[in-house]
Formats: sequence, C-alpha cells, structure tokens
Amino acid sequence: EAGVAQSPRYKIIEKRQSVAFWCNPISGHATLYWYQQILGQGPKLLIQFQNNGVVDDSQLPKDRFSAERLKGVDSTLKIQPAKLEDSAVYLCASSEARDRGNTEAFFGQGTRLTVV
Amino acid sequence: AQTVTQSQPEMSVQEAETVTLSCTYDTSESDYYLFWYKQPPSRQMILVIRQEAYKQQNATENRFSVNFQKAAKSFSLKISDSQLGDAAMYFCAYRGAYSGTYKYIFGTGTRLKVLA
Repeated sequence: EAGVAQSPRYKIIEKRQSVAFWCNPISGHATLYWYQQILGQGPKLLIQFQNNGVVDDSQLPKDRFSAERLKGVDSTLKIQPAKLEDSAVYLCASSEARDRGNTEAFFGQGTRLTVV
Repeated sequence: AQTVTQSQPEMSVQEAETVTLSCTYDTSESDYYLFWYKQPPSRQMILVIRQEAYKQQNATENRFSVNFQKAAKSFSLKISDSQLGDAAMYFCAYRGAYSGTYKYIFGTGTRLKVLA
C-alpha cells in the first residue's frame, strides 16, 4: 500500500514570495490533515478536510494561507506572502473517517520550508 | 478543548535498558484514542502504539508498552531493551472517538537519546 506522498521535500524562498505544497493521501482515506511543525515543537493542525469539505481551519492564518482538496483526493497548501515565522516543516496526514477500528493517522515525510 | 502535555523535553537511556516517557492529557470526553508516534530525523511520523480509552488493558507492541491511567489522564510509554534505532522524537497524541472531527492533537514531544 502506497503511503502519503508529499512534495517538495525542501523549499527555500525569500519573505513575501509565495509557495505551494502538494499532498496525495492514501487511497480511500476520506480525511486529510495539514500540520505545521516548528522546530522543537509538536505538530499544530492548520486545516482538516473530510472528502473535499473543510472540517476545521480554525488555526489557519487565512490572510496568507489557503488550502484546497479538489475531488476529495489530492490537496495543496499555499502561503502567499510568506513570512520568516512560516519557516517550519509542513506535514500532510490522512486517515479513514471512522469512529472505531483503524483510527491511525498516516503521515508523509513533510516539506521543510525555510523563509529567508 | 483537549490538550496534551509532555513534560520531558529530552530523555536519555543506555542501550538495552528501559525508559519511560510521560504524557498527560485533558479532555471532557469519555471515549477517545491515545497514540504514541515516533519521528526519526527523516521526519516521517510513525505510529508506535495505540490505546483505546474504553479498553482497560494496557496496549503492548513488542518492546513498547503503555501505562494508561484513565482517571489520572496519564498515558506513559515504556520502551524495554532500548536500541540505537529507538533514538527519535516521540509524540503523544489524542483523538476523540466520537468527536466527528477526528482531529489529532499532539504534545510538544520528547527527544529520546540512546547511549551505546
């Protein structure tokens, strides 16, 4: 079974530039998450999709961050314009949407963003 | 809102010895899941072990076991016969069973060093 795919693995941009990250979840997983992980901290949820609808985006800085999940499969996360404080690892994860049984979240390898 | 606290930023253990990582959480829900994830330098989060709150029996996976104290809202991870490959960041995570949002909430992590 293929895992969660993310690209790119690394990105360096200047502040005020824009950047986009891509995620392909595990086939059949209805729920997709984007997490921001600042160095030395735990992952913080930015946005959660169920199929192609947004379930939770309460911690997404909507003035500069946007995300979409077209057709309920792939997802992109965009930052425009980037700030120095956006330097972090961006993790994508997916899981089955169910109350019981297999409730594990599967993670991609993440994208390390450096804003200079 | 649910919170997860890991009070040990860093722990060290001698190879072949046993180490326990601590985690406490706060929730008003009665049914939920708790997880320990491992994040090696490659950044990919890997599930180590999972505990279902409605099960009283502590989960065990080979050298990894948990001590789940529901009343105390405590969920510690014990690693027996520590190996060099166990060196990584370990994150405790919470997910409600019937939350309807399936949001995973992470602690700040514990860095485990294994000494040869």
